[in-house]
Amino acid sequence: EIVMTQSPATLSVSPGERATLSCRASQSVSINLAWYQQKPGQAPRFLIYGASTRATGIPARFSGSGSGTEFTLTISSLQSEDFAVYHCQQYNNWPYTFGQGTKLEIK
Amino acid sequence: QVRLVQSGAEMKKPGASVKVSCKASGYTFTNYDIHWVRQATGQGLEWMGWMNPGSGNTGYAQKFPARVTMTRNTSISTAYLEVSSLTSEDTAVYYCARAVGANDFWGQGTLVTVSS
Repeated sequence: EIVMTQSPATLSVSPGERATLSCRASQSVSINLAWYQQKPGQAPRFLIYGASTRATGIPARFSGSGSGTEFTLTISSLQSEDFAVYHCQQYNNWPYTFGQGTKLEIK
Repeated sequence: QVRLVQSGAEMKKPGASVKVSCKASGYTFTNYDIHWVRQATGQGLEWMGWMNPGSGNTGYAQKFPARVTMTRNTSISTAYLEVSSLTSEDTAVYYCARAVGANDFWGQGTLVTVSS
């Protein structure tokens, strides 16, 4: 199965600053990569698909990039509601697999 | 609007089975696969498998096939996940999610606790 590795495990950023989260696949997943946001006690929220396309209703401050094995989620000008855990997921090959998550915390 | 509403929390003893339901509304149930994902406390998301509600076809992650069964009742737009031979390592929140490649809508999650 494809192993997804996210870095860093925890990222401390001040509100208003930019956050850059990374996700690496153990083999190419083309652009079949999604990002999700999860807050404590809640289900994941769909943010990005196709590596760079925002899901409906997702603010423009969220952007995704990459292809193949290297992917990035960038959140420009962090808002208080953005502090959460972010998961990447490849949906190119069965079994679909997730990274272990990056916790974005307030600095 | 699209909604997936799951059944309530369950507490089971080791060796027992659990069946979680996921009722879909706001879209044509048979047009989208349903995936099941679980998350142990403080851990990441673990993809378990998929089901096509139209055909009933399923596919399971290699870790689970002998203990996991995904079914559906199209007349009530409901998907089911059954896990048998439960152990403490199956204690987790179980999510259903609609699949459009990735997972665009998620149920609220069902906590399954396995304890003697």
